[in-house]
Amino acid sequence: EAGVAQSPRYKIIEKRQSVAFWCNPISGHATLYWYQQILGQGPKLLIQFQNNGVVDDSQLPKDRFSAERLKGVDSTLKIQPAKLEDSAVYLCASSPRFWRGGFYEQFFGPGTRLTVL
Amino acid sequence: AQKITQTQPGMFVQEKEAVTLDCTYDTSDPSYGLFWYKQPSSGEMIFLIYQGSYDQQNATEGRYSLNFQKARKSANLVISASQLGDSAMYFCAMREGSGNEKLTFGTGTRLTIIP
Repeated sequence: EAGVAQSPRYKIIEKRQSVAFWCNPISGHATLYWYQQILGQGPKLLIQFQNNGVVDDSQLPKDRFSAERLKGVDSTLKIQPAKLEDSAVYLCASSPRFWRGGFYEQFFGPGTRLTVL
Repeated sequence: AQKITQTQPGMFVQEKEAVTLDCTYDTSDPSYGLFWYKQPSSGEMIFLIYQGSYDQQNATEGRYSLNFQKARKSANLVISASQLGDSAMYFCAMREGSGNEKLTFGTGTRLTIIP
């Protein structure tokens, strides 16, 4: 079974530029998450989709970040314009919505490392 | 207050020894779940083990066990017979509420296994 795919793996941009990240979840997984992981910290949830609807975007900086999930499958996360503090690894995860006796397991991709200069 | 606290930024352990990674948590919700994830240098987060707040027994998954002390609000990860491949970052995480999927992560512990 193929895992969660993300691209690009690395991206370097100047501040105030725009950038987009792409995520392809595991086939059949209804739930998709985007996390931001700043160096030295744990991941922080930015947005959660259930199929193509948003479940939680309370920690998404909506003045500059946007995300969509096309047809309930692939997803893109965009930053416009980027700031220095957006330098981080952006992780995508997906979940099959199968209750494993107390939780839904999340499967993570390798992440996209963004550097804003 | 931090919801998840991991006080060990880094640990060095001899191969084949057991290691305990500390995690304390803070919540007022009676229903919650605690997770441990491993993050190797390749970047992806790998699920290791889960403990529900109502689970009577400590969770175990192969060489991983979770030492759950509810009154102390601690959920330490124990890795038995450590291997070189265990070298990675380890994150403790919590979800609050029943059916809630949102995870809050700690800052992680970098574990290095010495041959």
